[in-house]
Amino acid sequence: AQKITQTQPGMFVQEKEAVTLDCTYDTSDQSYGLFWYKQPSSGEMIFLIYQGSYDEQNATEGRYSLNFQKARKSANLVISASQLGDSAMYFCAMREGRSGGSNYKLTFGKGTLLTVNP
Amino acid sequence: DTGVSQDPRHKITKRGQNVTFRCDPISEHNRLYWYRQTLGQGPEFLTYFQNEAQLEKSRLLSDRFSAERPKGSFSTLEIQRTEQGDSAMYLCASSFPSGRSYNEQFFGPGTRLTVL
Repeated sequence: AQKITQTQPGMFVQEKEAVTLDCTYDTSDQSYGLFWYKQPSSGEMIFLIYQGSYDEQNATEGRYSLNFQKARKSANLVISASQLGDSAMYFCAMREGRSGGSNYKLTFGKGTLLTVNP
Repeated sequence: DTGVSQDPRHKITKRGQNVTFRCDPISEHNRLYWYRQTLGQGPEFLTYFQNEAQLEKSRLLSDRFSAERPKGSFSTLEIQRTEQGDSAMYLCASSFPSGRSYNEQFFGPGTRLTVL
């Protein structure tokens, strides 16, 4: 079974509008971390936001927020006020096990290609 | 620039040849990771170092693959007897287990390998 599922191969959004990129995950661990990375056409993975499984509040970083619904095992990324430079691939990833433990590797989804239209 | 660097950025080789990639992590980071990304997929974990110790290798890392991190600084990933299926982007990342970047892996620009 897929550990990280991103069901939207591609998404389109108008500049200045908000967009939600979906991510569901599968783990039996009680402690885990969820990440979103952006990958522009240049190829480099850029960290956007992190949510720990025990964090009570949804994470926010500037225009990025993570809509964390633990019972549904979903961790959707919300980008507000989209900009042309937001056009890129977006990957959801998970680290299973507690922070600082021996678990460290990230498991990535297949990604969503976001296109921001002017 | 104090980010993660990788060399070369692109490598074209013929099937059967050996290739070696280098990764220089952020200087104070003691953890270093290698991932492989094929077209249309997310990165897949290959191996992980904490300082100079290689602590885990994925099943994806066949016997033709070897990674080292001498002295806990830069790392090399070698692929022997390359196959066309090895064509991919090889990504290196590093992290430090404390501070604000505790949960973040910083990625390099990747090395794109094409095996003809």
